[in-house]
Amino acid sequence: DADVTQTPRNRITKTGKRIMLECSQTKGHDRMYWYRQDPGLGLQLIYYSFDVKDINKGEISDGYSVSRQAQAKFSLSLESAIPNQTALYFCATSQQGLGTDTQYFGPGTRLTVL
Amino acid sequence: DQQVKQNSPSLSVQEGRISILNCDYTNSMFDYFLWYKKYPAEGPTFLISISSIKDKNEDGRFTVFLNKSAKHLSLHIVPSQPGDSAVYFCAASAWDNTDKLIFGTGTRLQVFP
Repeated sequence: DADVTQTPRNRITKTGKRIMLECSQTKGHDRMYWYRQDPGLGLQLIYYSFDVKDINKGEISDGYSVSRQAQAKFSLSLESAIPNQTALYFCATSQQGLGTDTQYFGPGTRLTVL
Repeated sequence: DQQVKQNSPSLSVQEGRISILNCDYTNSMFDYFLWYKKYPAEGPTFLISISSIKDKNEDGRFTVFLNKSAKHLSLHIVPSQPGDSAVYFCAASAWDNTDKLIFGTGTRLQVFP
C-alpha cells in the first residue's frame, strides 16, 4: 500500500465550485505539505503543517485553505475554483529529526477548472 | 524570481553513457540540496541529497556534486539506463527554514537504447 495517498486522482470542475482534495499518510510523519505544479514550472508550496495545531502559508496560498484533521490527514480546499487553479496538486510528508529535509510525495491530483 | 534554476528542460542520452543534469541557485542561505525523480502519473520520489559541508555525495549510479562558490550542483548518472527516463527536479532548503523546499523547474531525461 502507498504511504501517501491522495483523493481524487483526477477532478474536473466548474468555475465557482468548492473543491476539496484529500491527503492521507501512513508514514507516521508529523509534517505535511501541499504543492501545485504547473507546466514548465517547479513545485510551488501552497500550505504546510508541522502538526495538527500548526498551519502555515506557503508561497501561493491565496485562493486556498487547508485543514489538518489528524496527524495522518491534511486536506486542501478551493472555496471558489477559478481556471488558473488548473494544475497538478501534490501532497507530501516529512518527519522532523530524521536528519534530512526529505519529503515523501503522494501520486498527485490532476485538477481541471473549466 | 526563480531561486533554483534548471536551465535545460530536456536531455537525451544513450544507454550506458553518462547523464549530467545541472542546477543553479541564487540564494546563498541554501545549505541543503536534493534531487527528486518523477515518472508520469506519479509523485516525485527522493533520489539523493547533499549538505553544503560536502562537495560530493554518491549512491550507486548516482552522484551529486556541489560547487558552492559557483552556486551550482549537478547530478551524474553512470551508466544511464532506460528506466532512468523521467523528470528530475533539483530542490534546496535554507539553514534557517529547513522545512521549505524550493524546487527547480525540472529536466526531462530520456535514455535511449
